[in-house]
Amino acid sequence: GENVEQHPSTLSVQEGDSAVIKCTYSDSASNYFPWYKQELGKGPQLIIDIRSNVGEKKDQRIAVTLNKTAKHFSLHITETQPEDSAVYFCAAQNQAGTALIFGKGTTLSVSS
Amino acid sequence: EAQVTQNPRYLITVTGKKLTVTCSQNMNHEYMSWYRQDPGLGLRQIYYSMNVEVTDKGDVPEGYKVSRKEKRNFPLILESPSPNQTSLYFCASKWGRAGYNEQFFGPGTRLTVL
Repeated sequence: GENVEQHPSTLSVQEGDSAVIKCTYSDSASNYFPWYKQELGKGPQLIIDIRSNVGEKKDQRIAVTLNKTAKHFSLHITETQPEDSAVYFCAAQNQAGTALIFGKGTTLSVSS
Repeated sequence: EAQVTQNPRYLITVTGKKLTVTCSQNMNHEYMSWYRQDPGLGLRQIYYSMNVEVTDKGDVPEGYKVSRKEKRNFPLILESPSPNQTSLYFCASKWGRAGYNEQFFGPGTRLTVL
């Protein structure tokens, strides 16, 4: 079945720096790749997503890139702020659309 | 407000005592799913439902049951809980099945089985 690996597991940056989280997936039939942010005590919340027919997508300070050939995708956060501190999960949707396979998460800490 | 709700939010129980965690969504979503989240393991799918009376196993279904008698509700049942089911549980829903639809997550239920 699908497997998603996520790196790094923890990331500490200074306010204003950029943060990059990388994920690789195993099933070439996966077609949708969302990124979720989870704050303490809350459920995961979608922050950005990308479809398999798109190479890059940007939303203000957040961008996602997808390399289908290499089967990896990355989250880029620019001009980080303390409120960006959270756990971030990447995921890959199976072709049937019945499941999201999640990476193990990255704890991002932004210090001011 | 469009949302997924779960109850209870926190539960401490003992081995073998049957329990049900409720999940409800008000977005008229066809698809609903349960995940468990464990430290260092991310989120893993337990069961999902494509529509009323249609359910199927995810990656870690052992020890769990679900039912989908109404579109808005998708309860998770632990008939004989064991300590290895101590975890943080999330219910999620989305519109439709195929395609690129966002999954909305509930706030989570933290379960401790002693």
